[in-house]
Formats: sequence, C-alpha cells, structure tokens
Amino acid sequence: DAKTTQPPSMDCAEGRAANLPCNHSTISGNEYVYWYRQIHSQGPQYIIHGLKNNETNEMASLIITEDRKSSTLILPHATLRDTAVYYCIVRVRDDKIIFGKGTRLHILP
Amino acid sequence: EPEVTQTPSHQVTQMGQEVILRCVPISNHLYFYWYRQILGQKVEFLVSFYNNEISEKSEIFDDQFSVERPDGSNFTLKIRSTKLEDSAMYFCASSGDRVNAEAFFGQGTRLTVV
Repeated sequence: DAKTTQPPSMDCAEGRAANLPCNHSTISGNEYVYWYRQIHSQGPQYIIHGLKNNETNEMASLIITEDRKSSTLILPHATLRDTAVYYCIVRVRDDKIIFGKGTRLHILP
Repeated sequence: EPEVTQTPSHQVTQMGQEVILRCVPISNHLYFYWYRQILGQKVEFLVSFYNNEISEKSEIFDDQFSVERPDGSNFTLKIRSTKLEDSAMYFCASSGDRVNAEAFFGQGTRLTVV
C-alpha cells in the first residue's frame, strides 16, 4: 500500500499557484519524496523529487517539512494543461514505485 | 530528452492468445519495470528487473507473465494466455543511471482482450 496520504481532489484557478499537500509520517531516513502526475491515460510523468531540502525545477517546487513527515508540491502558475492526477510517493532510490490514488487537480479557467 | 518507448500503442487480441509488449528503456538505465492500469483504477506494479533477472514481482505477476531483456536494449512483457481481465494499459519504466534516481515511464500499450 502507498505510504502517503493526499486529498482526493483539488481545484485551482488558472494562473494561480497550485499547492498540493502530502502526508508521509512514516517516511524512513533513506526514502525520497517523489512527485509524478498522470494526464488522462498517459504514462506517469516525473515532476520532482527530494530527500530533505526544498527543490525547484522548471516544472515545480517541492517543500519538505523539517521533520520530513509532510511535503507540498507547488505549481507556480497553473495552466489548463496541468489538469491531471498528482501522485506523491516515498521511495528508496531505484526501488519500485507504488502509486496510491493521488490528487485529482482541476485547473479552472 | 531521452524517453522510454513502447510498442505497439494499442493491441487487440483474442482470449487465450499470447501477446508480447515491447519497451525500449532509456539507454544507460539499469532498472526496468512493468506496471498496468485497468480502466478507472490506479497504476499497479507488476515486476522489476535488474541485472538480467527479476528483482521483485507483485501477486498479479503470476505464471502467465514473463519478462525478458533479449538483446540489451529491448525489455519485453509476455502474457502467455490472455484473459479478458488482462485488458488494461501497460506501462514500462526505467531508472538508475547511477547519478539520478528518477523513473521514467513510457506512454503505454493499451491491451484489449476480446
């Protein structure tokens, strides 16, 4: 079973920042936090990952709390193309990925 | 940007027939995976493959399934005798280039068993 808890759905206005929360209170010291998304029935798309420091790339930012028990994925300027199911995953490097139900993000025009 | 390639994109087969789904992982990756997603359900892990052998498999991956890396570039999933309930999207993924640990997924093969 997935080791993370996410809200089943969220709405965000186009152009605003989308903040997707994730709880992973049982995370181990060697587990990373990964975020993926799935647009319709396409293959899951890697977004970002981190261990304990905050991370930013061209797609998103990842904020991990100091105790590592929760994190937030931030899409800074959401567009309609960001409508997708977002998965928060904890994973040891190179281990299999276990998907939960994720958060269905609706971007509203 | 390198990507995982899967063929065919859609396959229709009769119940009881064998199918082979093909994947070309990213060239310097070391770990390979198959997943499936039944329509409307979550993505499920099937099997992981490393160093030319299965490293882990799920309960779904029974004797009807097998995987192979026949030539150092392709990674295949074979279903020996398909059942109606094998109808799903099948995703291949690869990871592990010794520097980065992200897993990248292909666009999937939609398998329809009739």
